[in-house]
Amino acid sequence: QQQVKQSPQSLIVQKGGISIINCAYENTAFDYFPWYQQFPGKGPALLIAIRPDVSEKKEGRFTISFNKSAKQFSLHIMDSQPGDSATYFCAARRSPGGTSYGKLTFGQGTILTVHP
Amino acid sequence: SAVISQKPSRDICQRGTSLTIQCQVDSQVTMMFWYRQQPGQSLTLIATANQGSEATYESGFVIDKFPISRPNLTFSTLTVSNMSPEDSSIYLCSVEGRHRYNEQFFGPGTRLTVL
Repeated sequence: QQQVKQSPQSLIVQKGGISIINCAYENTAFDYFPWYQQFPGKGPALLIAIRPDVSEKKEGRFTISFNKSAKQFSLHIMDSQPGDSATYFCAARRSPGGTSYGKLTFGQGTILTVHP
Repeated sequence: SAVISQKPSRDICQRGTSLTIQCQVDSQVTMMFWYRQQPGQSLTLIATANQGSEATYESGFVIDKFPISRPNLTFSTLTVSNMSPEDSSIYLCSVEGRHRYNEQFFGPGTRLTVL
């Protein structure tokens, strides 16, 4: 129930295309869903996050779509650029309370390559 | 966002030795965490570093192997003890404020290689 399943494992997109990465979860206690971007040799950087009370959040070229009933959420990168080439991780966090507060459960990661 | 630094950034260690990793934040934070990222893998939470009390460890991680200190609200250390090659990983600290939905930020990581 603590798992977050992410797909695809790797993704190749042409410059200007749309990159879509999907995640699914089972634990309905999760109430915060961030996406992280990680470049080689760097720590993960928070990209965008969503709460379950909204179905979509957009920040620049990055959009999270959230389907609470299906327990799925996805990251869309519009007009993908070579500089977006990185590993992307979805994550989920339980609502406050008890010893589980703050713990992020990560998906397996998606290696995105954007060809020029 | 919080500025987080880690020392060392990387190290190569011999089997059986121990390494202490430091995490420093530029502002006081409530929550600090330590994660492990094995080569090509995702992040796994090791423990929550509690200020003034013992860390809370996740299943599969024990205090004798990964002792953690958190003497104040801006600093924490993780020690990897009696290392083996299987401990070769990136170790990351992260921080978060108290409020619900507060963002969690990661440090740059410490790349550890055990020979």
